[in-house]
Order: sequence, then C-alpha cells, then structure tokens
Amino acid sequence: DAEITQSPRHKITETGRQVTLACHQTWNHNNMFWYRQDLGHGLRLIHYSYGVQDTNKGEVSDGYSVSRSNTEDLPLTLESAASSQTSVYFCASSESMSTDTQYFGPGTRLTVL
Amino acid sequence: KNEVEQSPQNLTAQEGEFITINCSYSVGISALHWLQQHPGGGIVSLFMLSSGKKKHGRLIATINIQEKHSSLHITASHPRDSAVYICAALLSGGGADGLTFGKGTHLIIQP
Repeated sequence: DAEITQSPRHKITETGRQVTLACHQTWNHNNMFWYRQDLGHGLRLIHYSYGVQDTNKGEVSDGYSVSRSNTEDLPLTLESAASSQTSVYFCASSESMSTDTQYFGPGTRLTVL
Repeated sequence: KNEVEQSPQNLTAQEGEFITINCSYSVGISALHWLQQHPGGGIVSLFMLSSGKKKHGRLIATINIQEKHSSLHITASHPRDSAVYICAALLSGGGADGLTFGKGTHLIIQP
C-alpha cells in the first residue's frame, strides 16, 4: 500500500545545530508540503513543492529550507535550530492541489533546547 | 484575524448525540477540506468540498459558498469520534499558499 512516512518521529537538538527531517511518499504524488503545528496557531505551511526541482516558500518559511531531487522525498532542513522552532512537523502530499485530498505523514516532534 | 474560523473550540457531548462543528471564512475559496486529528497525532482527510454536501458513514459535510460557511455533522456520535476536527480553505487563485487552516475543534464524546 502507498504511504507517507516521516523520520525521525521524535528529535531533541540544541540551539544552533542543523537538523534535517525526512519525508518519503510512495503515492507518486507531484505535490508535497511541510507544515508545523503549534498550540494556538493550528497548522501553518512552511514550504511546498509541485514537482522535482520545484520549491516554494509558505507562510512561515524563515529558518527552513527544502530541496526536491526526486518525486518521493522532500527533506526539511533547519539551518540553525532555534527554540522557536520547537513544534510538531507534518509532511503531506497530494496529486493535485484543488481537486484532491492531502495525505499526511505521522508527524515529527522536534524539541530545540 | 484568521481568515478561517472554527466554532466551537471545544465540545464535550454524550454518546449518541448529534454533533455540529462550524467553519466560516472571510475570503473567496476554491474548496474546503475537513480533517480529523486523532489523539495520537495522526491527521486524516475526511472531505474535500467545493459545493453542496458530502456524506461518508456517520459524517456529513456541507458548504454554502454564498454565506462562506461550512459545517461538519456527526450522527449517532461515539467515543471513537473523539478527536480534533480541522477545516482548511483553499483560497481562490489556487496555489499551495492558499491553504489556510482553522485552529481546530477539540471534540470529546463521553460514554
């Protein structure tokens, strides 16, 4: 069965360190998204991609970067982790934006000390 | 002000009750999604609506484009329906940056 996975599921790091969160989908979807979820804010879009070599900034992209070298993967990198980036991160994918559902990964809980 | 507002924020009901969760938005949209987030954290897409009504089992979602309002109904509620329900609007003009989320409704169904 097709799926979308994230790793690690939990991560504790220190301020200033570089961190990469992995997202892998076997749906063969073109569109992939990264969100963060915080109490009081709900889900907010960090970055998204419509296909290989395409990346776009979302609402809260500062301090994050992504790259899309193949269809299956969209890793999210925190260049220099900050305590404000402590959050739960969700990756999602969809076949097309307006007419299809988004499939979410299980989430990664990141703590920056 | 968030462009997508949900109400209520929290809802506790008894098993068997009819549940309604509301979502209103302030701008034009192309579509609206309803999502369910389980206590363990996983998020599942329930519906995507651009008009009218959709039904899946005990769940019914409606949308009124003119009134900028959508509702999610649960009939014969059960404790396993306890979850956070999130609406997300795809703003007109398309693009992933048009997907705006409400803050969620925390639903608890007591036996």
